[in-house]
Amino acid sequence: DQQVKQNSPSLSVQEGRISILNCDYTNSMFDYFLWYKKYPAEGPTFLISISSIKDKNEDGRFTVFLNKSAKHLSLHIVPSQPGDSAVYFCAAVNYGGSQGNLIFGKGTKLSVKP
Amino acid sequence: GAVVSQHPSWVICKSGTSVKIECRSLDFQATTMFWYRQFPKQSLMLMATSNEGSKATYEQGVEKDKFLINHASLTLSTLTVTSAHPEDSSFYICSTKGRDEKLFFGSGTQLSVL
Repeated sequence: DQQVKQNSPSLSVQEGRISILNCDYTNSMFDYFLWYKKYPAEGPTFLISISSIKDKNEDGRFTVFLNKSAKHLSLHIVPSQPGDSAVYFCAAVNYGGSQGNLIFGKGTKLSVKP
Repeated sequence: GAVVSQHPSWVICKSGTSVKIECRSLDFQATTMFWYRQFPKQSLMLMATSNEGSKATYEQGVEKDKFLINHASLTLSTLTVTSAHPEDSSFYICSTKGRDEKLFFGSGTQLSVL
């Protein structure tokens, strides 16, 4: 049973437009959420995170929104650039859980077209 | 951020052979490293937590006798897939843990067992 769901396996966006990647979770015990970005033949790299006590966190072109009541978070990339083309993983953790046990979604492949 | 080196990147082996994957933390001492596995179209799943100088902790459903983990030093953890079979073909990736639950990943190892 998937605790973290990324229902869109892929997303295609025009350069300069907004990219919105969505993530849903089922476990209400999650209290910290992260987004990772992965290029082909490389390991995932940390992108941005948000604590459950916040509903928004912004870092440059990247903003993560958290809606706890809906158990939903989203990553906004504005403006999108071709170099943003990668697979984006949503992950969640319960601080009371075992260390390192981030629960990952399956990922969404973002393609930004010039 | 931490730099994690993982090799080999690609391994093709015959069924029944053993394969060793190395994970090195290059710029800080990692008392704990994590091993993940990702099957096609699935999420990254934690297999085990590797602890320097002690036995690894395995997640439920992961055979400890099949996936041998050694963490003999603060900078090196190894995962050995013993008597590999085609169903072990997967993407294996290690990580160390930084601040705020952020994980720093190696580049991953794609294992194909013929």
